[in-house]
Amino acid sequence: AQKITQTQPGMFVQEKEAVTLDCTYDTSDPSYGLFWYKQPSSGEMIFLIYQGSYDQQNATEGRYSLNFQKARKSANLVISASQLGDSAMYFCAMREGGFNKFYFGSGTKLNVKP
Amino acid sequence: DAGVTQSPTHLIKTRGQQVTLRCSPKSGHDTVSWYQQALGQGPQFIFQYYEEEERQRGNFPDRFSGHQFPNYSSELNVNALLLGDSALYLCASSLAVAGSTETQYFGPGTRLLVL
Repeated sequence: AQKITQTQPGMFVQEKEAVTLDCTYDTSDPSYGLFWYKQPSSGEMIFLIYQGSYDQQNATEGRYSLNFQKARKSANLVISASQLGDSAMYFCAMREGGFNKFYFGSGTKLNVKP
Repeated sequence: DAGVTQSPTHLIKTRGQQVTLRCSPKSGHDTVSWYQQALGQGPQFIFQYYEEEERQRGNFPDRFSGHQFPNYSSELNVNALLLGDSALYLCASSLAVAGSTETQYFGPGTRLLVL
């Protein structure tokens, strides 16, 4: 089974609107971390936000927030007030246990329209 | 504070050749992981090095090997290159702390093209 599933290959959003990128995960480990990365066309993976499996509150970082629904095993990324510079690939990733091996999803390509 | 650096940025090789990619971790980090990212896909874990030893390995053949030096920098070696090895190779560094919430920080990658 896939560890991380991103079902939206591509998304369009109007500038200044909010957008939600979906991510579901699969693990039996009680301790895990969920991450979102942004990858512009240059290729570098840019860390956006982190959510730990024991965190009670949803993580927020500026315009990014993570909608963590543990029972549903989902960790959706919400970008508020989209900007043209947000156009990129977005990857959801998971780390199980104490190791720093990450499982990545297949990504979602976000296009922000002016 | 220098981030993760990788060299070279681009590389073109022919089938059957060998290649070495290099990575310097972010200052203060002691663990280096390597990923292969084929076009249009997410990164796939190759292996991870900590204390100069391979700690974990993904589903990659023995043609892929690595090394970590005492200064924590790392090399990825690929022997007998195949066309399918063409990809973006990403290096990520992190700090090995038990129960850590530390994330991995990625370098800019090396784009390898095998002809």
